[in-house]
Amino acid sequence: DTAVSQTPKYLVTQMGNDKSIKCEQNLGHDTMYWYKQDSKKFLKIMFSYNNKELIINETVPNRFSPKSPDKAHLNLHINSLELGDSAVYFCASSQFDQSSYEQYFGPGTRLTVT
Amino acid sequence: GQSLEQPSEVTAVEGAIVQINCTYQTSGFYGLSWYQQHDGGAPTFLSYNALDGLEETGRFSSFLSRSDSYGYLLLQELQMKDSASYFCAVRDRGGSARQLTFGSGTQLTVLP
Repeated sequence: DTAVSQTPKYLVTQMGNDKSIKCEQNLGHDTMYWYKQDSKKFLKIMFSYNNKELIINETVPNRFSPKSPDKAHLNLHINSLELGDSAVYFCASSQFDQSSYEQYFGPGTRLTVT
Repeated sequence: GQSLEQPSEVTAVEGAIVQINCTYQTSGFYGLSWYQQHDGGAPTFLSYNALDGLEETGRFSSFLSRSDSYGYLLLQELQMKDSASYFCAVRDRGGSARQLTFGSGTQLTVLP
C-alpha cells in the first residue's frame, strides 16, 4: 500500500547514456512533481504535472523530459547523462487544496553518473 | 524570485527544546511548510501555516508571522530520532499555487 513509489532506487550509469526513472502514486492526487536533491541536500523542483498537463517547468536542461501517461504516473527520462546529473531524484504528489498543502514524496532514486 | 534562510546546523540534547527559524522573501505568498528528512530517506510533511499564529501537532509546533515574513519550527522533548534535516518551504503563486520552494535545510543533531 505504498503511497508514492519510484523505480529504480539506485541507478549507476556512464556519461552519455540515456536512462529513465518511473514514479507512481496511488493516493488519487491530481498533481505530481520531480525534484532534484544535490549533495548539499538542496531540494529543487524540476517539473510539475497537473492531471497530465505540465504546469511547472523550471530551468532544467532539455536533456530532461518528463512524461505523464496518466495522472497516477510521472516518469523522467534523461538523455546524454552528465557527471553533474548525479543526485537524488524525488517524485512527489499532492492534491490541490486552498487550506492545506502537503506533498508526499517517494523514496528517491540515487543516480550516479561515472 | 523566492529566497529562504534557515540555519545550517543546530545541536541540542535529549529532552531539550529547539527552535528552527526561517525567513523568506517571495511574491504572492500562500503559506509556509516544514518537512523532515532523515539521512537516506524522503522528505516527510510536518506542518503547514497559511495564517499567522501557532499550529501544534504533538511535540512539534510551527509558527508564522506573515508581516515579518518569518516562521519557526519548535521541537519539544527532543528525542534521538529527531536527528534529521528540517526544511522550510514556501508555497507561492508559481505553478498555479502548487509550487513549493525549499530552504537549504537545517541539520539537527540531538545528543544523548
